[in-house]
Amino acid sequence: QVTLKESGPALVKPTQTLTLTCTFSGFSLSTSGMRAGWIRQPPGKALEWLARIDWDDDKFYSTSLKTRLTISKDTSKNQVVLTMTNMDPVDTATYYCARMDPSGTYFDYWGQGTLVTVSS
Amino acid sequence: QSALTQPPSASGSPGQSVTISCTGTSSDVVYYKYVSWYQQHPGKAPKLMIYEVSKRPSGVPDRFSGSKSGNTASLTVSGLQAEDEADYYCSSYAGSNNYVFGPGTKVTVL
Repeated sequence: QVTLKESGPALVKPTQTLTLTCTFSGFSLSTSGMRAGWIRQPPGKALEWLARIDWDDDKFYSTSLKTRLTISKDTSKNQVVLTMTNMDPVDTATYYCARMDPSGTYFDYWGQGTLVTVSS
Repeated sequence: QSALTQPPSASGSPGQSVTISCTGTSSDVVYYKYVSWYQQHPGKAPKLMIYEVSKRPSGVPDRFSGSKSGNTASLTVSGLQAEDEADYYCSSYAGSNNYVFGPGTKVTVL
């Protein structure tokens, strides 16, 4: 059974760096073909893909947010970490972690999401 | 502004069918056969319902079907049931390891 759970601060101040952790079970990111990613959803708005990391440590980022994002993994802990720098109120959103199919074209399991509010 | 376009709402009576559209561009829906659909109940994690335009993951009822024509993909829910009431999101691979989503459609079972 594949499960994912996001954790991190519920509130961050503008200009701060956000660090989110996704702890998962039921698969390993050291297995060939495995991938995981982050997606966010501002309140009442559309989902937005942020980043992806592959089993071989390849990393891919949203073009519009590339300069602010870093994704990493700790295979021993079954975790994926996302950092986003220079947070702004427009970054207020629910952040989801998801596993990707080996084809890398869709997200087959999602976490429940964690709401992050950016406010002073 | 979303990269994909969906109607904000759709509805149907139990037993009826409802179809949700997802309109993209030549950079995503038109070019790739990698459209997926996700169901989300309030406060719950999104659930994959359709991948690669029309394929159903194991465990998804065959009442859910997907198709694509030109720049528009569609999700049809046949034989609507109360538990189908949820938000539905489409997504498409957009090349160069990028992914786009629609804004979601709220399906109401009347």
